[in-house]
Amino acid sequence: EIVMTQSPATLSVSPGERATLSCRASQSVSSNLAWYQQKPGQAPRLLIYGASTRATGIPARFSGSGSGTEFTLTISSLQSEDFAVYYCQQYNNWLETFGQGTKVEIK
Amino acid sequence: QITLKESGPTLVKPTQTLTLTCTFSGFSLSTSGVGVGWIRQPPGKALEWLALIYWDDDKRYSPSLKSRLTITKDTSKNQVVLTMTNMDPVDTATYYCAHFGVAGTFFDYWGQGTLVTVSS
Repeated sequence: EIVMTQSPATLSVSPGERATLSCRASQSVSSNLAWYQQKPGQAPRLLIYGASTRATGIPARFSGSGSGTEFTLTISSLQSEDFAVYYCQQYNNWLETFGQGTKVEIK
Repeated sequence: QITLKESGPTLVKPTQTLTLTCTFSGFSLSTSGVGVGWIRQPPGKALEWLALIYWDDDKRYSPSLKSRLTITKDTSKNQVVLTMTNMDPVDTATYYCAHFGVAGTFFDYWGQGTLVTVSS
């Protein structure tokens, strides 16, 4: 089973600042990596798939990069609605796994 | 548009079997490349992938839960059913079903989730 490790666990950022979230896979997942945003009491929302492709309706301030084992989600200028928990998910090897999440909180 | 909704008991007793139904609209499970997955989330914790089923009835299960899970589909009813045997309090979680498409087994549409509590 591929283990996904996200860092940091919590990221404190001021509105308007840039946020950089990391996700590491225990073995290569090629570009088969997705990012989700989850707000309290809501289902996750797909942000990024294929490591760098924004899902429909996702603002351009969200961008994804990386391949193999190292991935990054960048939020270029945090808006109030972006404070949430973010999860990565690999879908490379028939057995999908999620990371443990990064909480982005207001500094 | 694609929508999914989970249904099932909100409370089950330890050792019982949980049966959850995902009823969806906006797509068909007879369409090549599509499928439905189940994901759960214990209160305050991370997402955990459980199982998924493809349009061609291929199935995948989480290795750690494989012996307890069964996923099936009823294409005519637009439903996917997940059963989990031998429920334990640690299985208390919100259970989500979600759609995936031809681009890969990431989940682009999610149900609202249903909270299942395991308690005697």
